[in-house]
This record gives sequence, C-alpha cells and structure tokens, in this order.
Amino acid sequence: EDKVVQSPLSLVVHEGDTVTLNCSYEVTNFRSLLWYKQEKKAPTFLFMLTSSGIEKKSGRLSSILDKKELFSILNITATQTGDSAIYLCAVEAGWGAQKLVFGQGTRLTINP
Amino acid sequence: EAQVTQNPRYLITVTGKKLTVTCSQNMNHEYMSWYRQDPGLGLRQIYYSMNVEVTDKGDVPEGYKVSRKEKRNFPLILESPSPNQTSLYFCASRTGPGTGGYEQYFGPGTRLTVT
Repeated sequence: EDKVVQSPLSLVVHEGDTVTLNCSYEVTNFRSLLWYKQEKKAPTFLFMLTSSGIEKKSGRLSSILDKKELFSILNITATQTGDSAIYLCAVEAGWGAQKLVFGQGTRLTINP
Repeated sequence: EAQVTQNPRYLITVTGKKLTVTCSQNMNHEYMSWYRQDPGLGLRQIYYSMNVEVTDKGDVPEGYKVSRKEKRNFPLILESPSPNQTSLYFCASRTGPGTGGYEQYFGPGTRLTVT
C-alpha cells in the first residue's frame, strides 16, 4: 500500500526561527513529490520535485528530495506569522494514472 | 481568471438523501480529481478522471460515484450519504502528462455534514 508520512504533525515556533518539515514515502513507481501550503482554504502549490539532490527554492522556502532514502524536506527560514499553515506533502505514484497520495500534513504555527 | 469552482460550499443533509456536489474548471484541463480531507488523515483521493468518459477509483471510492461527460465538469455523487461521509471535499484539476509542471488547482472546498 502506498504511504506518505509527514513529521512532525504539529510545530510551534517563534517568528524568525528556521523550521524543517519532513516527508517520507513508500510508493510503487514514484513519479514526483509535491509540497502544498494550506491556510484556511484550498491547498496552494509550492514545489514539485522529481530529481534527487536538486534544491528548489522560492524566497524563504526551499525543498530537496532524496530518492535513495525516500524522503524530502521543506525548509522555511526567517519564519513569519504568515507562514502559519498546514503543509502537505504528496507523492504522485502508480502506473499511467494520476494517483496522488498525501501525507497527514504538518500544522505549523508561528508566534510573534 | 483560471479557477475551479465547487457547489455548494456548505451542505448539511440527512442520511440516505442523494446529493451531488458539482465541480467545474475553466482551464481545459484533462485531469480532474476528488479528495476528502479529514483531521489527522490528510487528503485522500476518492476518484480521478484522465479525460472525458475516463474515470478511475482512488483510495477511498466506497459510497461515491462520479461522471465525466464534459471536459470541464466532474460532479461527485453520493447516492445514499452516511454520517462517515461527513468531511471537507476538494475538487482539483491539472493538465495531462507531457505538458510540464504539475500545478494542480484546487477548488474552494465543500464542507458536508451528514446527520
């Protein structure tokens, strides 16, 4: 059974801290790994990763994939209260079909 | 504006009363999906569709039906809703394979309560 596990499930930090969110996976025929940010509504796309060791970066957010160890991390530096959200990791897997498996999400709270 | 719309946004219903949640996208996307989101379980895929008249089960299809008669629409049907289908539902769409990138657009969500 395909599985995506995120850790921690919940994290509370102070503004300005750096955080690292983890995502590990066990799936059949890995295609890509995606990160989403979910505030009080629908998830919004952050990154798609397909190759090991290549960092994707957008402002204070960055992510990297390790296909040998089957995990990815999402880093957020100099956190701001607006970064408070649920961060979702999803893996596209399977054969010739659009199967997307999500992790449980990490609820990140940034306190001022 | 590129978007995925869902209706209704909120629905309270009773066990056994058939309902349909509509989903429509204006981006000419091939792929559409339905997800449900429950606390502690993340998003789970219910059904997906790769194009008109092509649908397949996701991880939690029991109790749901879908149809894809037109490219833009992908309704979710609950023939006989039960309380365990109380959840937050998202519809999503994206382009097909080979088009590069993978930005999946999500609808705003439908919060369904079955009593």
